[in-house]
Amino acid sequence: DGGITQSPKYLFRKEGQNVTLSCEQNLNHDAMYWYRQDPGQGLRLIYYSQIVNDFQKGDIAEGYSVSREKKESFPLTVTSAQKNPTAFYLCASRVGFAGELFFGEGSRLTVL
Amino acid sequence: AQSVTQLGSHVSVSEGALVLLRCNYSSSVPPYLFWYVQYPNQGLQLLLKYTTGATLVKGINGFEAEFKKSETSFHLTKPSAHMSDAAEYFCAVSLSMDTGRRALTFGSGTRLQVQP
Repeated sequence: DGGITQSPKYLFRKEGQNVTLSCEQNLNHDAMYWYRQDPGQGLRLIYYSQIVNDFQKGDIAEGYSVSREKKESFPLTVTSAQKNPTAFYLCASRVGFAGELFFGEGSRLTVL
Repeated sequence: AQSVTQLGSHVSVSEGALVLLRCNYSSSVPPYLFWYVQYPNQGLQLLLKYTTGATLVKGINGFEAEFKKSETSFHLTKPSAHMSDAAEYFCAVSLSMDTGRRALTFGSGTRLQVQP
């Protein structure tokens, strides 16, 4: 079955450490997105990529980095520069100009 | 810039009662509108979407929404609530003529509780 796979599901990090969240899709979608979810704030866009080897900052990109070396993969690195990284992270992809987003199951990051 | 406002962060209904979740949007061009549902510690699942055509849109699980341009609204309804409808619901907007980032902008969400 086609879909988006995020890993790990749960991740714990010590302050000062970088962590990378994996996102893989087999839907053949060109565009991929990373959102951050905090209670009561909905989803906020971190980074997005419309094509391989190209990506743009979203609304809250500071402290995060991404790469898009393959169409199927869009990993997110949460760096030590991100001051409040504890959150639920959602990866999504999209087909077409008017298409909806398809979401992965999310990764919950907790900083100890 | 586009934006979405969901009125009511928490809504509680009795099982069998009408569900009404409110969503208003702001957009300078015709929007594409979406409703998603999220269960705890899971991703978002599409309930329904409006792009063009019929303004009353039917989705999964008995939900429907009506696009009202004059009111800039896209409220979600279900005639009879079921216990399994308890979840968080998100309204989202995407500009129809967005040649830029083509990302959805989400509301802050409404948590629906269904009382037995």
